[in-house]
Amino acid sequence: KAGVTQTPRYLIKTRGQQVTLSCSPISGHRSVSWYQQTPGQGLQFLFEYFSETQRNKGNFPGRFSGRQFSNSRSEMNVSTLELGDSALYLCASSPGRRGPLYGYTFGSGTRLTVV
Amino acid sequence: AQSVTQPDIHITVSEGASLELRCNYSYGATPYLFWYVQSPGQGLQLLLKYFSGDTLVQGIKGFEAEFKRSQSSFNLRKPSVHWSDAAEYFCAVGDTGTASKLTFGTGTRLQVTL
Repeated sequence: KAGVTQTPRYLIKTRGQQVTLSCSPISGHRSVSWYQQTPGQGLQFLFEYFSETQRNKGNFPGRFSGRQFSNSRSEMNVSTLELGDSALYLCASSPGRRGPLYGYTFGSGTRLTVV
Repeated sequence: AQSVTQPDIHITVSEGASLELRCNYSYGATPYLFWYVQSPGQGLQLLLKYFSGDTLVQGIKGFEAEFKRSQSSFNLRKPSVHWSDAAEYFCAVGDTGTASKLTFGTGTRLQVTL
C-alpha cells in the first residue's frame, strides 16, 4: 500500500513569489493535515481537511491556504513568500472523521527554501 | 488549550543502555497521546499511542510508554537502545474537541554512542 506522497521534495523560491505543494494521502484516507516544521517553532499545525471541507486552521496568516479534492488529494498554497516561510512542510493523512486522534501517517515532506 | 513539554532537548546514551524520554502534557480531558520519531530529512513515524485502558502501551521498534495521569506524563522507554534509534522524538497530544489536530512538543534529539 503506497504511503503519503508529497511533491515536490525540494523547492527554492524567491521572496514575493507563490508556491503550491501537493499531497496524495494513503488510499482510503479522507483526512489530510498539513504542518510546518522549522528549527525555531517546531511543528505547527496549518490546517486539516476532511471530505473536501476545512475543519480546522492553525494560527497562520491568510497567505497560507489549502484545499482538498474529491479524491482526497490536497494542495496547500503560500502566496507572497517571505524568508520566514522557509521550512519543511509535512502532510499527514488518517482515516475517518476522527482520524487524527488515531494517529497520522506522514509524508516525507517538501523542503521549501525562500531566498 | 492543550500543550506538550519535552524538557530534554538532547540526550546521549550508549548503545545497549536503557532510554527514557520525558513528556508532560496539559489537557483538561482524558488525553489522546502519541510518540512519533523522525529521522533526518524524513517525515514522522508513529511509534505508539494511548487513548484509554492499560496505562502501559507497547509500540513498534521495542518502545513502550507509560501514561501517568497524576503526573500528567507520558514518558517513552526502551530497555536497550540500538544505534539505529538515533533520531528526533516527538510527543503529541490530540485535540479531542475538534478531533482534527495534534499539538506536538519541541522534540528530543537522541544520539547513540557506540
